[in-house]
Amino acid sequence: AQSVTQPDIHITVSEGASLELRCNYSYGATPYLFWYVQSPGQGLQLLLKYFSGDTLVQGIKGFEAEFKRSQSSFNLRKPSVHWSDAAEYFCAVGSDNYGQNFVFGPGTRLSVLP
Amino acid sequence: NAGVTQTPKFQVLKTGQSMTLQCAQDMNHEYMSWYRQDPGMGLRLIHYSVGAGITDQGEVPNGYNVSRSTTEDFPLRLLSAAPSQTSVYFCASKEDFLTDTQYFGPGTRLTVL
Repeated sequence: AQSVTQPDIHITVSEGASLELRCNYSYGATPYLFWYVQSPGQGLQLLLKYFSGDTLVQGIKGFEAEFKRSQSSFNLRKPSVHWSDAAEYFCAVGSDNYGQNFVFGPGTRLSVLP
Repeated sequence: NAGVTQTPKFQVLKTGQSMTLQCAQDMNHEYMSWYRQDPGMGLRLIHYSVGAGITDQGEVPNGYNVSRSTTEDFPLRLLSAAPSQTSVYFCASKEDFLTDTQYFGPGTRLTVL
């Protein structure tokens, strides 16, 4: 069975600074990888996903993530954080047997200082 | 196109009470699912449905029932609420079980006293 870890429970960055959120997964086959963002009181919104091909994927809101198979990682990055990026971020891995089940990581809460 | 809608947004129950969390989608998606979100645990799958009339258990199904009589609706029933079911519940849908991009509703915050 797949599993996901997000080592950082809470990260604080200053507005304009760069951001990297870590995600490590465990899965025996080719993973389907996702990053979701949850703003306070809101549902989850898909930021980006990786299925195959180019290991650097671009998402919405200026985010990108890089799949590194050798490190079992799928870290999320943004070159310059905006105050509106303050939210909780979830990494998820889907199995490739039709992908009906996801496993979500515990989430990383991002705070942005003005 | 409203996407995935959930009602109510907030609910407080007493132990032993029953209630139904409603979920509806207007995207004609075959696949729908329910998750619960607890601090430090991410989202955990409760039940899912690959189409009308078909449901199956996820990771944490105990204490919850579901049915799928129409494509649009996927209600989650708590027959006898317990404090351990205090959580935020999210409904999600996707086009079919082969698709991996899910769309989430805004969530229902449930407190069981």
